[in-house]
Amino acid sequence: EVQLVESGGGLVQPGGSLRLSCAASGFTFSSYEMNWVRQAPGKGLEWVSYITRSSSTIYYADSVKGRFTISRDNAKNSLYLQMNSLRVEDSAVYYCAREMIGGGDLLDSWGQGTLVTVSS
Amino acid sequence: QLVLTQSPSASASLGASVKLTCTLSSGHSNYAIAWHQQQPEKGPRYLMKVTSDGSHTKGDGIPDRFSGSSSGAERYLTISSLQSEDEADYYCQTWGTGFRVFGGGTKLTVL
Repeated sequence: EVQLVESGGGLVQPGGSLRLSCAASGFTFSSYEMNWVRQAPGKGLEWVSYITRSSSTIYYADSVKGRFTISRDNAKNSLYLQMNSLRVEDSAVYYCAREMIGGGDLLDSWGQGTLVTVSS
Repeated sequence: QLVLTQSPSASASLGASVKLTCTLSSGHSNYAIAWHQQQPEKGPRYLMKVTSDGSHTKGDGIPDRFSGSSSGAERYLTISSLQSEDEADYYCQTWGTGFRVFGGGTKLTVL
């Protein structure tokens, strides 16, 4: 069974930093491209970042570019999101999501999410 | 600019059918999309991929009551024999070079 388990969320002050982790199991993590997606309270889904299998290509949404860094460790079956210079508007549930193989850049598995609250 | 447009809300009666629509912006009518379901207080769940020719590929364990289709720039999710647990938010998703994009979501109410 495919499992994605996020952790690392919490309460942080504006301007602070947080590192999210996503532990993957039930599939060959190194064979899949991965994403982070967030959802602010009461809002829709917003794509945040993408990373290829080898970390050779990385994309970010304009709203987080220059502040967030996505990375992965295939030996540890883990995906990460380093979030710096956090803003109140970054408050959201953060999900890691897997992209399907050979089906276009579409997401086909999700974690349960970890809540990030940025507040003074 | 690649945009996915969804109606904010829809409703249908228990046991009935409902068809949700996701519209691709001009010039992108050949794109495939994915449908995702988000039940209250839960993370999203992948339902299916829908291509421009109307074929769909469902995720593991997705009931036969869920199906997908296409017409032009529109991608559809049809849910038949509605059950109370189908009350949820439904999002479509696609991609462009360097980004992924979601529709605004449709909140489905089962009456």
